[in-house]
Amino acid sequence: DAGITQSPRYKITETGRQVTLMCHQTWSHSYMFWYRQDLGHGLRLIYYSAAADITDKGEVPDGYVVSRSKTENFPLTLESATRSQTSVYFCASSETHYEQYFGPGTRLTVT
Amino acid sequence: AQSVTQLGSHVSVSEGALVLLRCNYSSSVPPYLFWYVQYPNQGLQLLLKYTTGATLVKGINGFEAEFKKSETSFHLTKPSAHMSDAAEYFCAVSGRSGNKLTFGGGTRVLVKP
Repeated sequence: DAGITQSPRYKITETGRQVTLMCHQTWSHSYMFWYRQDLGHGLRLIYYSAAADITDKGEVPDGYVVSRSKTENFPLTLESATRSQTSVYFCASSETHYEQYFGPGTRLTVT
Repeated sequence: AQSVTQLGSHVSVSEGALVLLRCNYSSSVPPYLFWYVQYPNQGLQLLLKYTTGATLVKGINGFEAEFKKSETSFHLTKPSAHMSDAAEYFCAVSGRSGNKLTFGGGTRVLVKP
């Protein structure tokens, strides 16, 4: 199906474990983004990518790693998960300066 | 740096009443402005956007917003609330040189029958 998908939708992991959240888009959009959503903070940008092999930090990048070897995929890795990384994570893509298209989100709980 | 302030984290309206959600931004240059809606357990969906031209922007589901440069505001309105409007609404701003969005904290709308 066309669009932007995220997997898994729900994930529970333990402190210190590595976890990867996947994001896939079928539009061939140049830009892709990762946000985290926390109560009282709205959405905050973690990392973004302007094209394959081009990534840059957002507002809250610490503890996260991204890669973009293919235009359609933009995985987000938590190298050693901490409880403060419990959040809902959204991936988005965009081709213009205008709207971003959001995935359904991944709810991550770190115990 | 850009910032967005949404006044009121929760708004309660009666069905059929006016919905007014306030958004103020700070930006050194006229930005692009957006309103997104998030229904429970879903991602964000674009309601409307302002880029250039007419300052009154109409969006989906009967919503509209007006860009007021002098007030650095982009308030969202809907004349008559419907039960299906219950959701969280986010105002966002983007600089004209890039695609990054800065979001406000969100306003959760409750619609009472």
